[in-house]
Parts: sequence; C-alpha cells; structure tokens
Amino acid sequence: AQKITQTQPGMFVQEKEAVTLDCTYDTSDQSYGLFWYKQPSSGEMIFLIYQGSYDEQNATEGRYSLNFQKARKSANLVISASQLGDSAMYFCAMRDMDSNYQLIWGAGTKLIIKP
Amino acid sequence: NAGVTQTPKFRVLKTGQSMTLLCAQDMNHEYMYWYRQDPGMGLRLIHYSVGEGTTAKGEVPDGYNVSRLKKQNFLLGLESAAPSQTSVYFCASSYPTGKTDTQYFGPGTRLTVL
Repeated sequence: AQKITQTQPGMFVQEKEAVTLDCTYDTSDQSYGLFWYKQPSSGEMIFLIYQGSYDEQNATEGRYSLNFQKARKSANLVISASQLGDSAMYFCAMRDMDSNYQLIWGAGTKLIIKP
Repeated sequence: NAGVTQTPKFRVLKTGQSMTLLCAQDMNHEYMYWYRQDPGMGLRLIHYSVGEGTTAKGEVPDGYNVSRLKKQNFLLGLESAAPSQTSVYFCASSYPTGKTDTQYFGPGTRLTVL
C-alpha cells in the first residue's frame, strides 16, 4: 500500500491566493514525522516545514502552515498569499518506525502560480 | 557555508561503464543518504549511512554500492551502468535530533546511461 499519497499531480493558482496541497499518509506507528519539501525548476530540494505526530499545534513557518488532521491521516500544506516564486514541485514525506525512520516520499504536486 | 555538495553535476555513461558520485557535507552531520528521482515519482532511497564506516540498504539498492570512509563524504558507485539507472541522484545529510531529523539536500547529479 502507498504510504504517502499526493492526489494532485498539478495545480494552477492565481497569484496572491492561498493554496492547499494535499497529502495523506498511511502508518501503524504512533510516533512519526511529516515533512514538506519544495523543488524549484532548478532542481534542488528545499525543506519547508515539519510536523511531529505528537505535536499539539499545527506547524507554521512564515507563509507555510501544515493542516495536520491526525484522525484522517492527512497533512496538507497551506501556502498563504502565493507568489510567482512559489511555482515548483512540492513533495510530502514521512518517516516512521515501519520505514526504519527513513523518509518515504509522495509523488509530488506541481504548483504553477499565474500572474 | 557550502552545505551539501555533489560532483559531478552531469554525466553521460555507456552501458557497462562504471562511475562514482561524490557527496560532501560540511555541517558535521552523522547521517547521509543517496536518493534517485525519476520523472513523475518521488525520491527513492538507494543507500544510507548513520555514521562513518557504516552503510545500509534503502528501498532500491540493487546495482549500487556505497562507502563512508570519512564522516563528511559519502560515495555512490555504479559498477556496471544500465539504462535503467538513468536518473537524477540526490545526496542528503542530517543530524539525528530525534523525530525531526531534517534532511538537507545537495543540488543533484543528472546521469544518463546510453
């Protein structure tokens, strides 16, 4: 079974609008971590935000926030006030005991911000 | 501060040739990783290392070997390249801070095997 599912292969969003990128995960472990990375067209992988399974608050980092719904096993990335520079691939990843604490990655969502 | 660097950035090989990709990090990280990224897919872990002199297999280790002789370096070798190994290869490193353990990535190596 897929451990990380990103159901949106691609999205178009108008500049300055908020955007939500979906991520659902599957794990039987109680202790796990969820990550979002950004990959611009230049190719590098940039860490954005982390959410621990026991964290009571949703993680936030500047314009990025993580909408963590544990019961639904979802960890959606929310980008507020999108900018042209947000156009990139976005990857959700998880590490848990089942994966020997190595990152398991989703297939990614390609986000394009329209001016 | 260079972070994680990879050499080379691009390489074209013929089937059966061998090569070594070098990853270096200057952040004193204990853990290092090699991933491959194929079109339309997320990253897949090839091998990783939790410390100098140790290596372990990831999700797709076949056809690759690794070595971690120095803490700051992690080498990925292809002994006999195959077209199926055409991919972009990323190295990453992290410091084991518990659950967080954020990985930091190099710029990638684009490898084509003809």
